[in-house]
Amino acid sequence: DAGITQSPRHKVTETGTPVTLRCHQTENHRYMYWYRQDPGHGLRLIHYSYGVKDTDKGEVSDGYSVSRSKTEDFLLTLESATSSQTSVYFCAISPNNYGYTFGSGTRLTVV
Amino acid sequence: AQTVTQSQPEMSVQEAETVTLSCTYDTSESDYYLFWYKQPPSRQMILVIRQEAYKQQNATENRFSVNFQKAAKSFSLKISDSQLGDAAMYFCAYRRRGEYGNKLVFGAGTILRVKS
Repeated sequence: DAGITQSPRHKVTETGTPVTLRCHQTENHRYMYWYRQDPGHGLRLIHYSYGVKDTDKGEVSDGYSVSRSKTEDFLLTLESATSSQTSVYFCAISPNNYGYTFGSGTRLTVV
Repeated sequence: AQTVTQSQPEMSVQEAETVTLSCTYDTSESDYYLFWYKQPPSRQMILVIRQEAYKQQNATENRFSVNFQKAAKSFSLKISDSQLGDAAMYFCAYRRRGEYGNKLVFGAGTILRVKS
């Protein structure tokens, strides 16, 4: 499997603070994705990237921004965290047309 | 926009028995992939099985098989000889065929409990 790591694995932060989640891949894939997982909603796409500095919004992008300055890194930033952004965040890559490879997820709690 | 619906929030099955998880989807596309992912308590997302829409034959992976009804836009997962390790959240997902960048669309998930 392609190497994909997320950091941190868990984070607790206060309302109003900025938070950055990191996704790192080792196999030079072009497409990377950020999803959030919430009960009753499954996984929903926040943002995705199709190359260095090329990103686009998903269905739940409000309150989030992303950056991809290198092929291997895709950062998700919450500029000012809110309680509604408490969730589990997954990064994924698309090594082929069959499916995704997912990171291990970040559980973010905003208090 | 494509949507995926899993109408069963929770299911239970006795160990060694068979259970079927339901999934329906909506798309105007004719060429796509469908997936079932398993998420155990570890949170890891594990691909269980994949179906190409252009294939009439239902996919099978060991104890896991699907019933793919393209006209009805239905894609159910059958787990035979259920084991305690099958207990997990199961997600149905859709992806349009084409570029690698096509996005996965997920259902809300079904929690499967396995009783010993």
